[in-house]
Amino acid sequence: EPEVTQTPSHQVTQMGQEVILRCVPISNHLYFYWYRQILGQKVEFLVSFYNNEISEKSEIFDDQFSVERPDGSNFTLKIRSTKLEDSAMYFCASIPGQGSHEQYFGPGTRLTVT
Amino acid sequence: QKEVEQDPGPLSVPEGAIVSLNCTYSNSAFQYFMWYRQYSRKGPELLMYTYSSGNKEDGRFTAQVDKSSKYISLFIRDSQPSDSATYLCAMVYGGATNKLIFGTGTLLAVQP
Repeated sequence: EPEVTQTPSHQVTQMGQEVILRCVPISNHLYFYWYRQILGQKVEFLVSFYNNEISEKSEIFDDQFSVERPDGSNFTLKIRSTKLEDSAMYFCASIPGQGSHEQYFGPGTRLTVT
Repeated sequence: QKEVEQDPGPLSVPEGAIVSLNCTYSNSAFQYFMWYRQYSRKGPELLMYTYSSGNKEDGRFTAQVDKSSKYISLFIRDSQPSDSATYLCAMVYGGATNKLIFGTGTLLAVQP
């Protein structure tokens, strides 16, 4: 069964460093998402991406964040200058296309900022 | 008032019990409702998806939506220790946005 994959599973970085989290959505899916989950808190929407551009973003998704689909398979989330409060699980999700609402999530990347 | 409210638990039940998990929401604009299961430090796994009031059954799982009361439920029959996880409800407004709004999740422990 096709699935969303994410790398790395765990990333440790120092405050102020840039990190890139990678996702490979299910092939033939068209809409892509990033969510985050701070330990003990609920899953929160960050950004949605369709047709090579951001379709929606949350207040959390400020200028320090960016997303890119550099090729036909990868979908990346970049945090330019990490802060301690960026420590969280980051999940990528995808859906097939317009009219579908069932989002399929990857296993997540645990980001630890020290 | 939070958009989506969910009792965090923990909820502990004996194996074989019927489990009832619930969420309430405040905005009647929500159109689509989902239940996800999340094991510790893993990604949410889609269990059920509904978009209308009423019941939907899939194996041991039944999802129930009552739009008039802004209340959704997930029932698990014949619960197993492997059902022990956090159960997240999630909702979508529909229209131009597909972002999921999650509840906090209910931690379920099924005791053998």
